[in-house]
Amino acid sequence: GEDVEQSLFLSVREGDSSVINCTYTDSSSTYLYWYKQEPGAGLQLLTYIFSNMDMKQDQRLTVLLNKKDKHLSLRIADTQTGDSAIYFCAERMDSSYKLIFGSGTRLLVRP
Amino acid sequence: DVKVTQSSRYLVKRTGEKVFLECVQDMDHENMFWYRQDPGLGLRLIYFSYDVKMKEKGDIPEGYSVSREKKERFSLILESASTNQTSMYLCASRTPGQGSSTEAFFGQGTRLTVV
Repeated sequence: GEDVEQSLFLSVREGDSSVINCTYTDSSSTYLYWYKQEPGAGLQLLTYIFSNMDMKQDQRLTVLLNKKDKHLSLRIADTQTGDSAIYFCAERMDSSYKLIFGSGTRLLVRP
Repeated sequence: DVKVTQSSRYLVKRTGEKVFLECVQDMDHENMFWYRQDPGLGLRLIYFSYDVKMKEKGDIPEGYSVSREKKERFSLILESASTNQTSMYLCASRTPGQGSSTEAFFGQGTRLTVV
């Protein structure tokens, strides 16, 4: 079945690295996404990774994919207060319209 | 700049009222979605539409219906609002295909309170 799980809360100090983790159950997922939701706003795509990749780096963001364990992580280097938001992991199969979302991880960055 | 616009940011309705939530996108996307977002549950898909006049039930369609008469507009209808439909509602659209060009774009959300 389809299920995406994330921890609900993460607190880090400004300047430290943040690592947000996600596990998924559908091994046929082709695309895995990270979305960011700032307070009072909709979701904004941060980055994505194809299932045939292990890692993707985009400025301060690093996505790691462990297909064997069905584990996805988002690392934010030099975390800033503006990074405080809810981060959603999502998966989609190539043949499907649907995005399956996790519950979201609320990241709090302390000064 | 791509845009998905939801007609209201905040709505307060009474139990039993018929409620319309409107979503418009200006990207000529075929696929449109309605999600509800609740704390600790993430986003759950209510309905989606893969093209005009086409619709499919998502994971939690009970108590909702949808309408897609024009490509740019996707409406969510609560036939008889109930308090357990108090939630944040998010609309999204995307174009089918492969790769990053198929990312879903989201509206800003409508926070609905049913009293």
